[in-house]
Formats: sequence, structure tokens, C-alpha cells
Amino acid sequence: GESVGLHLPTLSVQEGDNSIINCAYSNSASDYFIWYKQESGKGPQFIIDIRSNMDKRQGQRVTVLLNKTVKHLSLQIAATQPGDSAVYFCAENNPGSSNTGKLIFGQGTTLQVKP
Amino acid sequence: DAGVTQSPTHLIKTRGQQVTLRCSPKSGHDTVSWYQQALGQGPQFIFQYYEEEERQRGNFPDRFSGHQFPNYSSELNVNALLLGDSALYLCASSLLGRGTEPQHFGDGTRLSIL
Repeated sequence: GESVGLHLPTLSVQEGDNSIINCAYSNSASDYFIWYKQESGKGPQFIIDIRSNMDKRQGQRVTVLLNKTVKHLSLQIAATQPGDSAVYFCAENNPGSSNTGKLIFGQGTTLQVKP
Repeated sequence: DAGVTQSPTHLIKTRGQQVTLRCSPKSGHDTVSWYQQALGQGPQFIFQYYEEEERQRGNFPDRFSGHQFPNYSSELNVNALLLGDSALYLCASSLLGRGTEPQHFGDGTRLSIL
């Protein structure tokens, strides 16, 4: 069935350390994945995306890794800052749709950055 | 460049009432999707509008309906409100067929049902 799940509900890291947030998805036909950051009282903010024909994609301080063999997605944040504290969601595009189609979200991981 | 805007930001209704939420997409976008986000959960897809028609729909009852206007803005209507409809309602916009652009979200409307 449809599900995108996150391994840990809360991740606590020290400021300056690297953070890794994990996500498992169930549909092997999924072809597009997105990471969103949601701060309190705000809507989800796009961080980075990756297509199924890629294994890795890098942005500014963030890297997304995709392992299709085990249906696993991860978001790495380098040199985590207090402003990175938020809930992070991975989302999967409904297979067969364009990237503007239905998104299936996981439960979210809360990232807490300790000063 | 204005992002996705939603109104109102907060709304309080009672059971059985009807509500209309509004969304203006990001400039240049033509597709609007609506999501419901319960407290502590990820957003759940309600439906998507393109060219003033419902293009896709999630597992929501017919009490949830929508509309898209010629200027691409959209409304979400919910009839016969239930306590369980209390949630953050998010609007996301995108450009249909653009292979590299993800959906952009507004900050939502917080709906509370008493």
C-alpha cells in the first residue's frame, strides 16, 4: 500500500555536527522523492529532491541519498545549525505521475539542534 | 515573486457548518493541490486542480470539494464539518509538466472545529 515512513521520530544533534535523517518507502515503482522542512506554524519548505535514476544529489549543506535496492532515502545536513531545527518530511511522488502529481508524505522526524 | 498565499490563517467553526478556504498559487504556476495535515502527522493529499478541473483525488469523502478559477487560484470547500476535520489545510502549487520543479507550499489555514 501507500506508505513513506521515517525511522526515528526525533533526532537530537549538537550544533556543528552532521545530521542524518532516514526514510523508508514501500513502493518500488516510485520515481521521484522530495525532502521538506517544516518549522512551527509554517508550511513545508522544499529542501532537495531526487529522481529514481540518481543515487545521490547535493545541495547547499544538504545531500540526499537514494538506495533503491532497500527502498531507503536519507537526508544529510552538514554542520547543523540551530536554524535547522524543524520537522523533516520525506515525500514520494505517486508513481506514474509527473512530479506535479500526488505526494505521499511520511510521519516526519523532529530535528533538535543543541547549542 | 510572491509565493503561495492562503487565507484565512485561522478559522474556528462548529460541527455541521461549512467552510471555504482560499489559495493563490505562486506566480507562474498553474496547478494547485490541497493537503490536510493533522497534528503530529504528515500532510495527506486531498485533490489537485489543473485547468479548472479536478485532476487527481485522494481518499477523502465528497464533503470535500474544490474549485479552480481562470487566474489559477483555488478554493477548498468542506461541508457538514466534523470534529475530525480539525487540521492544518495546506495548498501547494506547481507547473504541470515541469520535470524539475517540485510543489511549493503555503503556510496553511488552521481549522478548528468545536
